[in-house]
Amino acid sequence: SQKIEQNSEALNIQEGKTATLTCNYTNYSPAYLQWYRQDPGRGPVFLLLIRENEKEKRKERLKVTFDTTLKQSLFHITASQPADSATYLCALDMSGKLIFGQGTTLQVKP
Amino acid sequence: SQTIHQWPATLVQPVGSPLSLECTVEGTSNPNLYWYRQAAGRGLQLLFYSVGIGQISSEVPQNLSASRPQDRQFILSSKKLLLSDSGFYLCAWSVLMFGPTTSNEKLLFGSGTQLSVL
Repeated sequence: SQKIEQNSEALNIQEGKTATLTCNYTNYSPAYLQWYRQDPGRGPVFLLLIRENEKEKRKERLKVTFDTTLKQSLFHITASQPADSATYLCALDMSGKLIFGQGTTLQVKP
Repeated sequence: SQTIHQWPATLVQPVGSPLSLECTVEGTSNPNLYWYRQAAGRGLQLLFYSVGIGQISSEVPQNLSASRPQDRQFILSSKKLLLSDSGFYLCAWSVLMFGPTTSNEKLLFGSGTQLSVL
């Protein structure tokens, strides 16, 4: 069955540094992959989508890469700010349904 | 504008009691609708999805059911709650995004219902 893995340990970084979060998947070849941000007690909010034929996608301070050979996506936040602290979820399209990883919590310290 | 409403925000229910969570969307027609559950410290688990009125697909066997009585209304129910039903329930609908050669969908989530079964 499809398995999506995100680092369950929280990522703590200093303000101004680049945060890099990893999403690995197995047993599937998704047509696209998405990243969401979730704040405590709130629903996830869509950030970026990257298609299988795209290597990289950028949006302001965010950058996502998609390596279909490694079955991995990397999510980068450059010049991180305390306001970037949240849980970040990756999601894969599987037969028209979005399946989510368990998320990685990012804590940016001032 | 496209919005999604979900209520209540929090709910505390005794074991064995019934449940009804409601979700409605505005600004679209014939949306694909979803119910997800998130247990504490866990990822989002897809429970049900619906592509139209009266059309419900269940992803995992469980103590819950879903119904779609109207195009923009999605209801999550249970006849008798279990302790294991506790969690954060999220309704979502898919929004189409158009790319240069293909179109994909992203999810727009409601604000969620924190359910505690005691």
